[in-house]
Amino acid sequence: DAGVTQSPTHLIKTRGQQVTLRCSPKSGHDTVSWYQQALGQGPQFIFQYYEEEERQRGNFPDRFSGHQFPNYSSELNVNALLLGDSALYLCASSLAGGQGYTFGSGTRLTVV
Amino acid sequence: AQRVTQPEKLLSVFKGAPVELKCNYSYSGSPELFWYVQYSRQRLQLLLRHISRESIKGFTADLNKGETSFHLKKPFAQEEDSAMYYCALSKSRSTDKLIFGTGTRLQVFP
Repeated sequence: DAGVTQSPTHLIKTRGQQVTLRCSPKSGHDTVSWYQQALGQGPQFIFQYYEEEERQRGNFPDRFSGHQFPNYSSELNVNALLLGDSALYLCASSLAGGQGYTFGSGTRLTVV
Repeated sequence: AQRVTQPEKLLSVFKGAPVELKCNYSYSGSPELFWYVQYSRQRLQLLLRHISRESIKGFTADLNKGETSFHLKKPFAQEEDSAMYYCALSKSRSTDKLIFGTGTRLQVFP
């Protein structure tokens, strides 16, 4: 079992550009959540997807959007990148009604 | 407002010493509390949860609703315990969003 797989592992983008991050959940999991972890901070919840719909959303602007596919994998899109979007983006999968999350290793996004 | 506070950024102890990582929370309701750990170059992983009342790798944590605390304890620290520890809470459903603290780095010296 590969667990949660995220791609790419590192990414450098220019301010104003758009970025797409990808996540494949752990086998058997149907729910995907995304978190942003800035340097020196704990992870902050962005949103959660279940049955291809956004089920919960944290306090992030509309520049942050996502998608879940029928195979439960997910994408996180960020438009009009700001320097402050530089962070580690974590994907976590779970089973609806299940017992907790499995986290991926994250994508390190640097905006210059 | 829902919040998790970990007052210590860094906690340094010697091997064999007791360890207590502090976590306080504010939440209007009955949350689930968790401790997550991140070892060097590894992904974030669940260490323990309050509803399980279990001991993992010698660590225990007791939920004190009166003091709204969920401190993580271990009587005798080991060098392999060195890691980043995050306290987190969620609503009663286990797969509800997690609210994390800022984390405490535990350093255990030989």
